[in-house]
Amino acid sequence: NAGVTQTPKFQVLKTGQSMTLQCAQDMNHEYMSWYRQDPGMGLRLIHYSVGAGITDQGEVPNGYNVSRSTTEDFPLRLLSAAPSQTSVYFCASSYWGGAGNTIYFGEGSWLTVV
Amino acid sequence: GNSVTQMEGPVTLSEEAFLTINCTYTATGYPSLFWYVQYPGEGLQLLLKATKADDKGSNKGFEATYRKETTSFHLEKGSVQVSDSAVYFCALSPANTGNQFYFGTGTSLTVIP
Repeated sequence: NAGVTQTPKFQVLKTGQSMTLQCAQDMNHEYMSWYRQDPGMGLRLIHYSVGAGITDQGEVPNGYNVSRSTTEDFPLRLLSAAPSQTSVYFCASSYWGGAGNTIYFGEGSWLTVV
Repeated sequence: GNSVTQMEGPVTLSEEAFLTINCTYTATGYPSLFWYVQYPGEGLQLLLKATKADDKGSNKGFEATYRKETTSFHLEKGSVQVSDSAVYFCALSPANTGNQFYFGTGTSLTVIP
């Protein structure tokens, strides 16, 4: 019953520090993505991947890196944290292709940059 | 382009009241439409979906009908409960893209006893 698992759930960083948010899914989904959620702005896509070895930028990619070495894992790296990156981050996955695919979300990672 | 517009919140209702949360969309072709729900401190969960015009998605007493002519997918529930208090997101996935999702800004619902 694991689904999409994200760690850590809470993190406080100092400006300029780097860190990695981990994401793993056990549903053999080709597609994985990272969103950030900010008040009044809904969810915005940061990066996504349609399969191992393939990544692409979403709406707000600056300051973040991703890689997809396996189908299961899709870590998000903050290179040099800034207060503007204080947000809630969600990893998501789904099957690729077709219509009406449900996207499954992790429980979120609350990040504060001070 | 693709976008979703949903009604601003927050919405506060008394228990057993009727709920409507409006959602309209802009998209090319025939997107799939979704409602997701987010309970406090949790991730988003699929509430219901519809993949073609005139389809009605339903779950847990919630319903939404895919209206192509008005480009709308309004969420309704006849009698809300305190446990329905959450943030509701309307979303679309454009046709033939498989997994690109566009979300509305979310509508916070609080149901009071």
